[in-house]
Amino acid sequence: DIQMTQSPSSLSASVGDRVTITCRASQPIDRNLNWYQQKPGKAPNLLIYAASSLQSGVPLRFSGSGSGTDFTLTINSLQPEDFATYYCQQSYTTPRTFGQGTKVEIK
Amino acid sequence: QITLKESGPTLVKPTQTLTLTCTFSGFSLITSGVGVGWIRQPPGEALEWLALVYWDDDERYYPSLRNRLTITKDTSKNQVVLTMTNMDPVDTATYYCAHTSAKYKYAFDIWGQGTMVTVSS
Repeated sequence: DIQMTQSPSSLSASVGDRVTITCRASQPIDRNLNWYQQKPGKAPNLLIYAASSLQSGVPLRFSGSGSGTDFTLTINSLQPEDFATYYCQQSYTTPRTFGQGTKVEIK
Repeated sequence: QITLKESGPTLVKPTQTLTLTCTFSGFSLITSGVGVGWIRQPPGEALEWLALVYWDDDERYYPSLRNRLTITKDTSKNQVVLTMTNMDPVDTATYYCAHTSAKYKYAFDIWGQGTMVTVSS
């Protein structure tokens, strides 16, 4: 299995901050990396697919980058509705593994 | 508009078999490049991918659960069924089904609301 490791596991930030979350794959996955946002009690919501493609309807303050084994999700100017848990997931091969999640909390 | 909805028991006893149904609309599982997957999430924990079925009947499973899982599709009913045998309390989780397609590089672009399953005697 390809292991996906996110860092940090949690972070505290203020509205307006720029936030960066990283995801590392245990082996190269080209650009087959996706990012999801999950709010308590809700299903995950796809934000970014193929490392950097913004899903329709997702605000432009979200962006993704990376290839191979190292990937980044950036949220520019954090908004109140962005406080949530974020997961990376590889779609390079099965099993489709997820990272352990990064919880973004209000400072 | 694509929608998916999970259904099944909320409580199962240890050793029983769980059967979950994902009923979907807005797409067909005979369309090339389309699939439906199952993902679960124990309370307070991370997401865990379980299984996938594609338009061409290709089935994929999480290796460590392979001997307990079966995924099937019924294209006439627009349903995907997941069965998991020999349930254990550690299988207590919210179970989601989700749409995936080549259009989005096989990310899970649309998810069901999830169904909570508790395993307890």
